[in-house]
Amino acid sequence: QKEVEQNSGPLSVPEGAIASLNCTYSDRVSQSFFWYRQYSGKSPELIMSIYSNGDKEDGRFTAQLNKASQYVSLLIRDSQPSDSATYLCAVKGLGNTPLVFGKGTRLSVIA
Amino acid sequence: DTGVSQDPRHKITKRGQNVTFRCDPISEHNRLYWYRQTLGQGPEFLTYFQNEAQLEKSRLLSDRFSAERPKGSFSTLEIQRTEQGDSAMYLCASTQASAYNEQFFGPGTRLTVL
Repeated sequence: QKEVEQNSGPLSVPEGAIASLNCTYSDRVSQSFFWYRQYSGKSPELIMSIYSNGDKEDGRFTAQLNKASQYVSLLIRDSQPSDSATYLCAVKGLGNTPLVFGKGTRLSVIA
Repeated sequence: DTGVSQDPRHKITKRGQNVTFRCDPISEHNRLYWYRQTLGQGPEFLTYFQNEAQLEKSRLLSDRFSAERPKGSFSTLEIQRTEQGDSAMYLCASTQASAYNEQFFGPGTRLTVL
């Protein structure tokens, strides 16, 4: 059973701070890693993808991947109240396997 | 709008009725996925198509569920003899087959079974 684990939160950070979201996965041969943002009542929106070890930056977002530790994280710099949402970690294995999602971490940015 | 679209956005039905949902993927995407999401959970994979071929079905997909993708374009998901446990958000996602498989989701269909 492939599993993706996330702390459900809520994670509360003040406006302007760095929010750090973490995810671990069980399938060692996982190849692709994604972060989705989901506002309440809406569908998931892809915000970051990462495929190799290290950091990948896109604006205020940085994804970090450590395949040896089976760990992927998302940093949000200069957090804004509009970043308040649930962040879903998704992992894809080899070949045509579907995405496996964690339950998500609820982030609350306090103004 | 060139994103994934789903119809209807909301569906309320009585237990035992049949329902059908439609998904129109991004036009150049050849893979289409169906997921189900309940409150407090991440999306759970149901089934996926590459062009018109249904390549994989989850064990979550009981015999009451059937999906089609005629001509490799839009897809439909039908639930027969709905049960209250079928109440969920049904999400469709599409992607262009590649090593990276970035999936883009539609707005979802929220099903409520009374």
